[in-house]
Amino acid sequence: GAVVSQHPSWVICKSGTSVKIECRSLDFQATTMFWYRQFPKQSLMLMATSNEGSKATYEQGVEKDKFLINHASLTLSTLTVTSAHPEDSSFYICSARDGTKYEQYFGPGTRLTVT
Amino acid sequence: AQSVSQHNHHVILSEAASLELGCNYSYGGTVNLFWYVQYPGQHLQLLLKYFSGDPLVKGIKGFEAEFIKSKFSFNLRKPSVQWSDTAEYFCAVNAGGFKTIFGAGTRLFVKA
Repeated sequence: GAVVSQHPSWVICKSGTSVKIECRSLDFQATTMFWYRQFPKQSLMLMATSNEGSKATYEQGVEKDKFLINHASLTLSTLTVTSAHPEDSSFYICSARDGTKYEQYFGPGTRLTVT
Repeated sequence: AQSVSQHNHHVILSEAASLELGCNYSYGGTVNLFWYVQYPGQHLQLLLKYFSGDPLVKGIKGFEAEFIKSKFSFNLRKPSVQWSDTAEYFCAVNAGGFKTIFGAGTRLFVKA
């Protein structure tokens, strides 16, 4: 089956620093990747959608200069949280879609803690 | 705008009880429907999906869901739950575009 990996699975950083999270599709080409944020006991909140080689499309209320997304290849997308603050602490999940299929395959998530 | 509503936020059942989780969506056109499950400490996994054809779809682990177009619903069912079904369940809808909208999720706890 389709596998999506994320790295790191857990990261702790100091306030003001930047953190990069990688999302990789291991056995398929992900033409579209999605980045979600999940707060405790809440649903997934879509942050942005990225297509390979194009700029990401951000959802309303998501700061594109703070959450930098790069979808440089068909198997890799990165989310960089710039100048992180404690309120950015959350669980970040990526998912990937193969071509025209509507099914999304999810990564295991990355827990970010900003101190 | 599309939206997905899951009526039950928390459900507690005893083993062998029957399960039905409600999901309604708001979109008048053709939709693709999904149920995802997130077991404790694990990532989201696809439980089942409906694209077209038979409105009663069967997924993994004995789950099934019925698409009722007139009611804009896609309820998830299982005749007899097990302790291992304890998880959070998300209904999701894709209306043919890139974006899939997720419901708020339902936390199911099955008592052994």
